[in-house]
Amino acid sequence: GAVVSQHPSWVICKSGTSVKIECRSLDFQATTMFWYRQFPKQSLMLMATSNEGSKATYEQGVEKDKFLINHASLTLSTLTVTSAHPEDSSFYICSVSQGETEAFFGQGTRLTVV
Amino acid sequence: GQNIDQPTEMTATEGAIVQINCTYQTSGFNGLFWYQQHAGEAPTFLSYNVLDGLEEKGRFSSFLSRSKGYSYLLLKELQMKDSASYLCAVKNSNYQLIWGAGTKLIIKP
Repeated sequence: GAVVSQHPSWVICKSGTSVKIECRSLDFQATTMFWYRQFPKQSLMLMATSNEGSKATYEQGVEKDKFLINHASLTLSTLTVTSAHPEDSSFYICSVSQGETEAFFGQGTRLTVV
Repeated sequence: GQNIDQPTEMTATEGAIVQINCTYQTSGFNGLFWYQQHAGEAPTFLSYNVLDGLEEKGRFSSFLSRSKGYSYLLLKELQMKDSASYLCAVKNSNYQLIWGAGTKLIIKP
């Protein structure tokens, strides 16, 4: 299966600053990557679908100007949380999937905004 | 709309067997997946069903009935490390993964 590396694993930032999370597909050319958010004791919530070379597709209720997604190559997608606030504190996970295969997940990033 | 239903929480005893059910309604079907997720970690893949029937993989088995929109995950010889959330997910006709809310499984000694 695909190996997906996500960095950083955890980050603490001050309110108002921006945080960038990287998702790399190490052995799989991913034209599509998915970004999820998960609050404590809740399920995965799809935030957006990242498409290589084009704009991301955001789910309803997700602010595209706040959660900037860049998918510049087949192996790298980044999620930038701009002007982070305490309510953005969450577990962010990326995944890659193609066709009928299962989704392969990165390790996740625990973001804490103080 | 599309939705996946699974129980919120289940409790079982170490060494016993537990069955976690999942029912789904999606626009099309391209496979059903079960994942295990420990707190604070990313989900890990457990099983995949695309045809009706039972898929067995060690202590874990997964069953699918497409006509009933139903699946279950069967865990045998439960161990304390099996305490986790179990997520059911379905790929629809657009190959989008639709996720259930997860079932928290608590194992007691």
